[in-house]
Amino acid sequence: KNEVEQSPQNLTAQEGEFITINCSYSVGISALHWLQQHPGGGIVSLFMLSSGKKKHGRLIATINIQEKHSSLHITASHPRDSAVYICAAPRGAQKLVFGQGTRLTINP
Amino acid sequence: DTGVSQDPRHKITKRGQNVTFRCDPISEHNRLYWYRQTLGQGPEFLTYFQNEAQLEKSRLLSDRFSAERPKGSFSTLEIQRTEQGDSAMYLCASSKRQGAETQYFGPGTRLLVL
Repeated sequence: KNEVEQSPQNLTAQEGEFITINCSYSVGISALHWLQQHPGGGIVSLFMLSSGKKKHGRLIATINIQEKHSSLHITASHPRDSAVYICAAPRGAQKLVFGQGTRLTINP
Repeated sequence: DTGVSQDPRHKITKRGQNVTFRCDPISEHNRLYWYRQTLGQGPEFLTYFQNEAQLEKSRLLSDRFSAERPKGSFSTLEIQRTEQGDSAMYLCASSKRQGAETQYFGPGTRLLVL
């Protein structure tokens, strides 16, 4: 079992739909990262959170440390949101351990 | 642009050749990480540096792989005697200090070994 598990692996939705991507982790962590990767490979850090909820534009990330679970939500999804979304947990406070990613496709 | 840069962005090589990749982190960041990502998978940790010291290496980093950060600024990752299984995206990231710091990623170097 991977230390960081994401679901679903693939998600296709229509423009405007509310999107939820889930992440569960088995290690004790101080914070969790959500990353976005567009075709071509570049990775952008979206959030780093250790408790509660963070919001940036149409993106919302929540975390429940006790349940070792985090979710990334996208409101009013748009085709430009199509990307791979990856959650990652710091292991030993240094390297990141990544989930396998969720490939999101938003159709117009 | 003051982000993390990597060079080259793409590399095609023949099996058995040596390749070297470079990463320039954000200037005030003292931590530098190398990750490898194969198609359809999340990135996997390879190694990281605190300034010029290489503090951890993954089991994935066989003896054909070597990484350096000689002056605590840019880093190089060399793969000797490349194999087809080395084909992947090699990602570099940097952060300011230890702990749960945001890591800033470069655009990656995509390696294809024929």
